[in-house]
Amino acid sequence: NAGVTQTPKFQVLKTGQSMTLQCAQDMNHEYMSWYRQDPGMGLRLIHYSVGAGITDQGEVPNGYNVSRSTTEDFPLRLLSAAPSQTSVYFCAASEKGAGNTEAFFGQGTRLTVV
Amino acid sequence: AQSVTQLDSQVPVFEEAPVELRCNYSSSVSVYLFWYVQYPNQGLQLLLKYLSGSTLVKGINGFEAEFNKSQTSFHLRKPSVHISDTAEYFCAVSVTSYDKVIFGPGTSLSVIP
Repeated sequence: NAGVTQTPKFQVLKTGQSMTLQCAQDMNHEYMSWYRQDPGMGLRLIHYSVGAGITDQGEVPNGYNVSRSTTEDFPLRLLSAAPSQTSVYFCAASEKGAGNTEAFFGQGTRLTVV
Repeated sequence: AQSVTQLDSQVPVFEEAPVELRCNYSSSVSVYLFWYVQYPNQGLQLLLKYLSGSTLVKGINGFEAEFNKSQTSFHLRKPSVHISDTAEYFCAVSVTSYDKVIFGPGTSLSVIP
């Protein structure tokens, strides 16, 4: 079972470049979210979506955009990459709300901005 | 707003010894609580969760956690650890089923042979 698939697994960007991190899920879950993981800070929520066409900001949304045109896909866009966005990014999906159900995570994308 | 504290950033423990990973949260309302585990170079997976009912929650791989409302704690325990338990452990909290899940900073458990 695929679950949540993230691509790419690794990426190096130059400051100012743009890119899209892809996230796809095959579980038909309504709720999807993006986190960044930094040493000593755990996971911080960037953006989330409670269903197709609906997105909202998390704790650290600046510098990132998202859209949710289908239930399956939830891409994360960096419009102008900065070194502060060097991090490991995780996408997660959960049935209905994330608050009381298990979140299924992708394998992560390790992004380095130079 | 909710927050989660994991006081121990690193916990080394010998194989077959017991371990407790501490988690405290702050919230003015009732909460849902979770423990997730992250093995090296992988995503997170759910160990256990507390939604309501019995305060002692059993999870996968022999782990359990106890919800203590008066102390606002949700400590994770295992009576005998294995090398394969070496991983990062995250405590998380939410307020409602549709609320955001807030993660703690994580505790790195290292099991020593």
